[in-house]
Order: sequence, then C-alpha cells, then structure tokens
Amino acid sequence: ETGVTQTPRHLVMGMTNKKSLKCEQHLGHNAMYWYKQSAKKPLELMFVYNFKEQTENNSVPSRFSPECPNSSHLFLHLHTLQPEDSALYLCASSQDLGSSYEQYFGPGTRLTVT
Amino acid sequence: GQNIDQPTEMTATEGAIVQINCTYQTSGFNGLFWYQQHAGEAPTFLSYNVLDGLEEKGRFSSFLSRSKGYSYLLLKELQMKDSASYLCAVRDSNYQLIWGAGTKLIIKP
Repeated sequence: ETGVTQTPRHLVMGMTNKKSLKCEQHLGHNAMYWYKQSAKKPLELMFVYNFKEQTENNSVPSRFSPECPNSSHLFLHLHTLQPEDSALYLCASSQDLGSSYEQYFGPGTRLTVT
Repeated sequence: GQNIDQPTEMTATEGAIVQINCTYQTSGFNGLFWYQQHAGEAPTFLSYNVLDGLEEKGRFSSFLSRSKGYSYLLLKELQMKDSASYLCAVRDSNYQLIWGAGTKLIIKP
C-alpha cells in the first residue's frame, strides 16, 4: 500500500466521451503529479501541482484538463481523446518539490480509447 | 536535449548478481533516482544518489559518477521476485524528473 489511490483502475472510452480520473493521497504531501506511461517509453510528466497550484504543464493537449481542489486530491478530466492517448496514467505525490524527495505512485488507470 | 539511456532488457539467474547501467545527459543535475516497477503495478522508490559513490541498501546498491553522467543499480542474491522493470530518473536544474524508458529484468531459475 503506497498511500496513493487511483480510480478507476481500468477505463474504456470512445473518442466523444467525457470522463475523469481521480487520485487521492493519504500521505500529507504537498506536491502531486500526473504522468503518462506508454509501452517501452519513458514516463511523460503531464502536470505538477504544489500546494494546489499548478507549477508545470508540459505542452499537454487541451483535451486533458487537470484539477486540484486541495493537496490530497487530483483529477484529470478527459474529453474528445484520440486512440494514441491509450496508456497507463499514473498519479504520484511527494513531500515537496525539493530535490531529494522521492515520489510515491498510485497503481495507475489503464485507459483505452476506442 | 535531455536523455537517459538504459538497456531495454536484461536476463540473470536466480542467486546471481546483476548490474543495470544508466547514463544521462541533462541540463543540470539535482539527484538520481532508481525505481522498481512490477508488471501492472506502480513504480516504487529504491534509491537516491546526489553525491558520487555507492549507496547500499540490503541486496540493492546504487552508484553515481557525476563527472561521467553514469549510474548503476547492483542487485545481489537475485530472487525471482526481482523480475521487474527498473527505472532510472534524473532531476535536472529545473527540479524536473527526466525518466529513462526502463530496463526489464528477467530472472531465470
């Protein structure tokens, strides 16, 4: 148990659907992250929040929309996705953005866009 | 551009020792991390190096040479449960983590 939970674990959606991914951390951390993990590719950082404020947006298409209502919860709203968006979406948290703080990952949401 | 290189796949025998290498070219350096990821599971933290040298944690050790842009993860007394992907990540000058694609380690009896 890593203290970071994600729901749903699996999601199949059509290109015209709207869905949301949820992440919750029970570790009292201040920073939260969304990553995309595709097969045999490096983890791609999508968004970073620190104390509920977005600090990074790595040129992510607008069809992905993050929301961080408080330091414990993070959402990723999805709409009009493309098949190439099919991947594992991982949420992570860390104590802070400092250099030595490791990130704790949730189990991920396996997304398939049909 | 920023780049992390690690072998795609390695095979080792139960009880043996394996070394997984990672070379990096990043804009600045603020630490290097190793994570383990079992198939279908979340990555979990293994080690952190920010100064040159060897950090030992039980059966796992991690080495760093900043001048060479090089690190390795050493796994001793391999067990079947060590079959997983091992991810190398470097924190750059902007404190952003740059990730390698991971090394899939296969342990054979």
